[in-house]
Amino acid sequence: DGGITQSPKYLFRKEGQNVTLSCEQNLNHDAMYWYRQDPGQGLRLIYYSQIVNDFQKGDIAEGYSVSREKKESFPLTVTSAQKNPTAFYLCASSSRAGGDHYGYTFGSGTRLTVV
Amino acid sequence: GENVGLHLPTLSVQEGDNSIINCAYSNSASDYFIWYKQESGKGPQFIIDIRSNMDKRQGQRVTVLLNKTVKHLSLQIAATQPGDSAVYFCADSGNTPLVFGKGTRLSVIA
Repeated sequence: DGGITQSPKYLFRKEGQNVTLSCEQNLNHDAMYWYRQDPGQGLRLIYYSQIVNDFQKGDIAEGYSVSREKKESFPLTVTSAQKNPTAFYLCASSSRAGGDHYGYTFGSGTRLTVV
Repeated sequence: GENVGLHLPTLSVQEGDNSIINCAYSNSASDYFIWYKQESGKGPQFIIDIRSNMDKRQGQRVTVLLNKTVKHLSLQIAATQPGDSAVYFCADSGNTPLVFGKGTRLSVIA
């Protein structure tokens, strides 16, 4: 079955550490996205990529970095510069062909906690 | 950026009753709207979508209504069940990337 996989499901980070969250999709989608969700809040966009080797900052990119070396993969690194990284991180992918819009497919999320 | 918001943050509904969740949008050029359901600890799941050339679209127990005049979107759930308890988001796909509101939490009372 096609889908989008995030790993790990739970991640603990010590202060000052960088950690990388994995996101892989086998849907042949061109675009991929990272969102952050805090308790009782909506989804805030961190970074997105519409094509391999290209990505753009979202609304809250500070303290995060991404890469898009392969169509299937869009890892997110939470750096030590992110002062409040504890949150639920969601990865999504989408396809847009022939001018038609399509919705996003989301992964199951990674819960990051600073210890 | 364009705003996609929700009128009510929480909604409690008796099991078996119908639920209505509302959403306002501000981008008059938006041409595609999506509703997602997010259960606790999980990623959002697609429920139903509607294009701007339609006023209504029905799925299994769900109906989405679009009023372009007042830029309002609603999700109706018929015969609400305990499994419908979740946070519901609308999203505007007229822009890339999607913009999500805070969501409405639906609680079903047994």
